[in-house]
Amino acid sequence: DQQVKQNSPSLSVQEGRISILNCDYTNSMFDYFLWYKKYPAEGPTFLISISSIKDKNEDGRFTVFLNKSAKHLSLHIVPSQPGDSAVYFCAASRGGPMNSGYSTLTFGKGTMLLVSP
Amino acid sequence: DAGVTQSPTHLIKTRGQQVTLRCSPKSGHDTVSWYQQALGQGPQFIFQYYEEEERQRGNFPDRFSGHQFPNYSSELNVNALLLGDSALYLCASSRQGRSYEQYFGPGTRLTVT
Repeated sequence: DQQVKQNSPSLSVQEGRISILNCDYTNSMFDYFLWYKKYPAEGPTFLISISSIKDKNEDGRFTVFLNKSAKHLSLHIVPSQPGDSAVYFCAASRGGPMNSGYSTLTFGKGTMLLVSP
Repeated sequence: DAGVTQSPTHLIKTRGQQVTLRCSPKSGHDTVSWYQQALGQGPQFIFQYYEEEERQRGNFPDRFSGHQFPNYSSELNVNALLLGDSALYLCASSRQGRSYEQYFGPGTRLTVT
């Protein structure tokens, strides 16, 4: 049973345009969500996160939107750059800032983003 | 500021053998989590260590075991290796109370033949 789903294995966009990566989750106990970027031969790199008490978090070119009722989040990259080409993982946690207990991450399968010049 | 380091980078083992992977957490971090990433999949949680104890475990058999040392570094041991254990093994570190923010190492690529 996959609790975090990224239904698009790949996405291609042109440089300067918007990239939108989507993620759906099924476990309503998740209260913190993260996006990681992964280049080949490297570990995942933390990109941006959002708590379940918010619906939007922005950091430079990256914005994450959370729709709790739909159990859906998305990552927007504007403008997209060729260096953004990587695999993007959506991850969810039970026990985020709202819970000082232990927390582990549940990942989706990833979406490979290709930004062409 | 040193990030999370893992060793070795690559490893080739034969079915039935045992393997030990090592991880040093990011400076200031005291919690270590291990993940297995099979080809085409997202990382899957194996277990998490804090204060030298395993405090959470994912759906992995007892062949997978670990250890955390007083300096917060950690080892992952896998016994009786199976072909299906071939994967990228990722170590992530975090701070107590903020274990939802995990920083990953580059991983160890294990191939079982």
